[in-house]
Amino acid sequence: TAGITQAPTSQILAAGRSMTLRCTQDMRHNAMYWYRQDLGLGLRLIHYSNTAGTTGKGEVPDGYSVSRANTDDFPLTLASAVPSQTSVYFCASSDRGGDYNEQFFGPGTRLTVL
Amino acid sequence: GQNIDQPTEMTATEGAIVQINCTYQTSGFNGLFWYQQHAGEAPTFLSYNVLDGLEEKGRFSSFLSRSKGYSYLLLKELQMKDSASYLCAVRDSNYQLIWGAGTKLIIKP
Repeated sequence: TAGITQAPTSQILAAGRSMTLRCTQDMRHNAMYWYRQDLGLGLRLIHYSNTAGTTGKGEVPDGYSVSRANTDDFPLTLASAVPSQTSVYFCASSDRGGDYNEQFFGPGTRLTVL
Repeated sequence: GQNIDQPTEMTATEGAIVQINCTYQTSGFNGLFWYQQHAGEAPTFLSYNVLDGLEEKGRFSSFLSRSKGYSYLLLKELQMKDSASYLCAVRDSNYQLIWGAGTKLIIKP
């Protein structure tokens, strides 16, 4: 199984432009998450979705939006990118009915905003 | 506020044992996770503790003391492939994970 896929792998984006980072999982997990990872900082939660049709704000939601139209897909949109959004973005999913509810991560998208 | 503390970097020798500590202060506690992350890759799940005590999985063990807000990850018989960052994360009262910045483990021959 593919698990979680993310696209693109990397991107250079001009400040002020919009972009959507794609995330798809095939594990039928009900919960999905978007994190950013910056050097010297822990993973920080941007947005999450506990089930299809619902979303919630994490620790650092400003400048980002998400949607969860179905179980498999959880795209993250930057409406007007700024250089401080340069980061590595990880999508993750978990089965909230499982024993551990551990999160499974996609390979990440490395985004540079100039 | 919520806080997870881990050492930034540790060095150990191949074949030896290393203990990576994690202390936490969070709003609620619903389990503690350890993840491994190789450079340029995604984090992968290593262990989970929700009750006090030691959980052993092969060469890796994880310990939890909820009263002390403390956990450690113990890696035995270190191999070069164990060179990675080790991330401690606590699931809070909202069932969200709060992450430490990670400990970069360097293994020397």
